[in-house]
Amino acid sequence: QQPVQSPQAVILREGEDAVINCSSSKALYSVHWYRQKHGEAPVFLMILLKGGEQKGHEKISASFNEKKQQSSLYLTASQLSYSGTYFCGTEGQAGTALIFGKGTTLSVSS
Amino acid sequence: NAGVTQTPKFQVLKTGQSMTLQCAQDMNHNSMYWYRQDPGMGLRLIYYSASEGTTDKGEVPNGYNVSRLNKREFSLRLESAAPSQTSVYFCASRVGGSGANVLTFGAGSRLTVL
Repeated sequence: QQPVQSPQAVILREGEDAVINCSSSKALYSVHWYRQKHGEAPVFLMILLKGGEQKGHEKISASFNEKKQQSSLYLTASQLSYSGTYFCGTEGQAGTALIFGKGTTLSVSS
Repeated sequence: NAGVTQTPKFQVLKTGQSMTLQCAQDMNHNSMYWYRQDPGMGLRLIYYSASEGTTDKGEVPNGYNVSRLNKREFSLRLESAAPSQTSVYFCASRVGGSGANVLTFGAGSRLTVL
């Protein structure tokens, strides 16, 4: 089952903050976050594992509530380069496949 | 280091024609995946191969077949293309198993079925 992302779209001015949420109805082993620019492939941002391990870019922060099967991606002091579509991908068991949400489109203007 | 290479980048087919999308990775990854992307639908998993010699269905496998030719290559075949298969197809790979292993995507293949 696809995880549910919210909001569907966000419009920001440079310097503003945003939070993107991802929710699953199933127990999760990991949550991944990727960003996609128009016409390009998705690019890795962050992985959060059950048990607390995290891996990702320094300027990106995220949280993972294992009990609620929810994750949030925090984008602070947004820049024009943050614009794009953000996808969360969830993995129910280690070694299976990522199932992605429908995405959240972020537009940052100057 | 090429990463994940997909061919072709663009293809136009007529309804009923067949074709194979090729994917190869040079990162010694165990797991490989095929996704399709349609507007407003996100990335949907078609098939995946957790390791060489295994394949499993994903969310939307109907109308597709896959072959894990060897550790490097994972192909996606459309036996009789339909307009509903017009989409952008992404191949991806990762180390696999447990742990925080990153999914690396190919550049995508844009398929139009008339």
